[in-house]
Amino acid sequence: IQMTQSPASLSTSSGDRVTITCQASQDIRTNLNWFQQKKGRAPKLLISDASTLQSGVPSRFDGGGSGTHFSLVISDLHPDDFGTYFCVQYENLPYTFGQGTALEIK
Amino acid sequence: QVQLVQSGAEVARPGASVQISCRASGYTFTKKNAIHWLRQVPGQSLEWMGWINTGNGNPKYSQTFRDRVNITRDTSTTTIYMELRDLTSDDTAVYYCAIGGSPLWQHWGQGALVTVSS
Repeated sequence: IQMTQSPASLSTSSGDRVTITCQASQDIRTNLNWFQQKKGRAPKLLISDASTLQSGVPSRFDGGGSGTHFSLVISDLHPDDFGTYFCVQYENLPYTFGQGTALEIK
Repeated sequence: QVQLVQSGAEVARPGASVQISCRASGYTFTKKNAIHWLRQVPGQSLEWMGWINTGNGNPKYSQTFRDRVNITRDTSTTTIYMELRDLTSDDTAVYYCAIGGSPLWQHWGQGALVTVSS
């Protein structure tokens, strides 16, 4: 299953709202997770099952979608939200990732 | 707390093999019974390599790595091993272990950089 993630990069300001999207090449129901990764660190799970916010993750992060179209919306951006965001599908093996969205906070 | 601690960075020659370990603690090893291996080439996205059922030891591999990878576990030390053979420069990457189950990959090891160079 191919995961097409966009945009590849974003340059935004604190307080802004951004949307990252992932499109799957076939129906993956809601078997999709979103991760945030900081340079030199392991990915951090933000959202599971397309829309379930993980414990400790601010409610500014909101995941949605099902089937083939998914989104991650980050509202009221904070400086610490910089990093690279990835989606991954786990409907079918091999699990596959989007190419990532590099988020810069100006 | 749940922890995965991986072995350190490795340098290997082309054609050689490398083995990375991942020691799990803070949970019942055979209950949360899946450990996955993933890798990330510098500057790129992540790639899933395979997983092992830590309860019965059965592995499942990505077709991409099937001929070159071996994932095993030692229940006495709650350690999982990933061996990758016939290394090339394309295998230079950070290798991660992560716990399966629900939610998938909530906990990760710190990563181990493997550099393949002559």
